[in-house]
Amino acid sequence: DARVTQTPRHKVTEMGQEVTMRCQPILGHNTVFWYRQTMMQGLELLAYFRNRAPLDDSGMPKDRFSAEMPDATLATLKIQPSEPRDSAVYFCASGLVGQGEHQPQHFGDGTRLSIL
Amino acid sequence: KQEVTQIPAALSVPEGENLVLNCSFTDSAIYNLQWFRQDPGKGLTSLLLIQSSQREQTSGRLNASLDKSSGRSTLYIAASQPGDSATYLCAVHSGNTPLVFGKGTRLSVIA
Repeated sequence: DARVTQTPRHKVTEMGQEVTMRCQPILGHNTVFWYRQTMMQGLELLAYFRNRAPLDDSGMPKDRFSAEMPDATLATLKIQPSEPRDSAVYFCASGLVGQGEHQPQHFGDGTRLSIL
Repeated sequence: KQEVTQIPAALSVPEGENLVLNCSFTDSAIYNLQWFRQDPGKGLTSLLLIQSSQREQTSGRLNASLDKSSGRSTLYIAASQPGDSATYLCAVHSGNTPLVFGKGTRLSVIA
């Protein structure tokens, strides 16, 4: 079964450090999403890409978060500097969009981030 | 701005019972609606996707219905099993963002 792969699975670091999370989408999918999940807010969309181009990053705090897709097999989400309020589970998902139809999104297992 | 609400937040039922999970959304101009399952410490698994032109979708013991005009969807689980215990999330795809999620219903099926 094709899967979305996220690394690392867990990350604990101190406030102020840079954090980079990586995602390998499913081969052939043209859309990649980054979500953040917390108990209080639930799942929130941070940013998404289609054919590697950023379409919407309005959900991200732009002063500290950045998302990129250097190639079709890799998406990255970076936080610099990190803050305790960034502690959450970060999910990457990929999907195929075309011909006016949206296929189901497939999620990775997430990166559980703790900022001390 | 699209808002998605799921009721109840948590549900506990004995094994074998049929159950219904509810999802409501504020903006009926949607492209599709998805139901997901999330197990503890895991990502989300897509269960069913209903396009805006459809009324329902079925997969095994699961049946999801969509009433766009009233802004409602239900997920029906027949003959529940302990393995169905998980959090179920509803997500709506409308114009401005790809998916807006509800906060989920945490289901426990007791053997």
